[in-house]
Amino acid sequence: GESVGLHLPTLSVQEGDNSIINCAYSNSASDYFIWYKQESGKGPQFIIDIRSNMDKRQGQRVTVLLNKTVKHLSLQIAATQPGDSAVYFCAENSGGGADGLTFGKGTHLIIQP
Amino acid sequence: KAGVTQTPRYLIKTRGQQVTLSCSPISGHRSVSWYQQTPGQGLQFLFEYFSETQRNKGNFPGRFSGRQFSNSRSEMNVSTLELGDSALYLCASSFVRSGSSNEQFFGPGTRLTVL
Repeated sequence: GESVGLHLPTLSVQEGDNSIINCAYSNSASDYFIWYKQESGKGPQFIIDIRSNMDKRQGQRVTVLLNKTVKHLSLQIAATQPGDSAVYFCAENSGGGADGLTFGKGTHLIIQP
Repeated sequence: KAGVTQTPRYLIKTRGQQVTLSCSPISGHRSVSWYQQTPGQGLQFLFEYFSETQRNKGNFPGRFSGRQFSNSRSEMNVSTLELGDSALYLCASSFVRSGSSNEQFFGPGTRLTVL
């Protein structure tokens, strides 16, 4: 899940297992949500997005679930691989482009061999 | 096609100086947004430029400014640098204005260290 301060929450999973990363968003007016992956020394990389009129969207090995009732977003990664090790951010956009994207603090995903 | 490029990749400055960072968006993209990333505050939105006009601005002091040129390339400037300005500055480009269903592509960032 998300946290504030210097310490990122960490999720450690075994290679081959499924990973679930959670995110709570704050703005009920947000209508577009994105998951980004950031590897060390690189900028965030788009993984998958979802609009507020959907509650589930699937990509290659990834699924995003959106629960607007409790303002919760999750990213599921199937059959986790070593290359999935990174910090994962959720981001929300309240629509109309105002204030750009609002990012969560991130979750550090560690893959154990 | 080439991704978002940012120059320089690393920069060391001292307090009180000013700095200019550059971002070249993906060809054809007209929107450029800037973000500051620090361990304590995470990723925070600075401002967005579209067609040479600032469209949105985050909650940063006036020392942070930017501009966009007719070729969509953008620069951001920080004046009177403070120690707390040390961060990774990220640029993101998109085809249209930042908003719904509009994927932003990020550059690798400029790592600024203020001594």
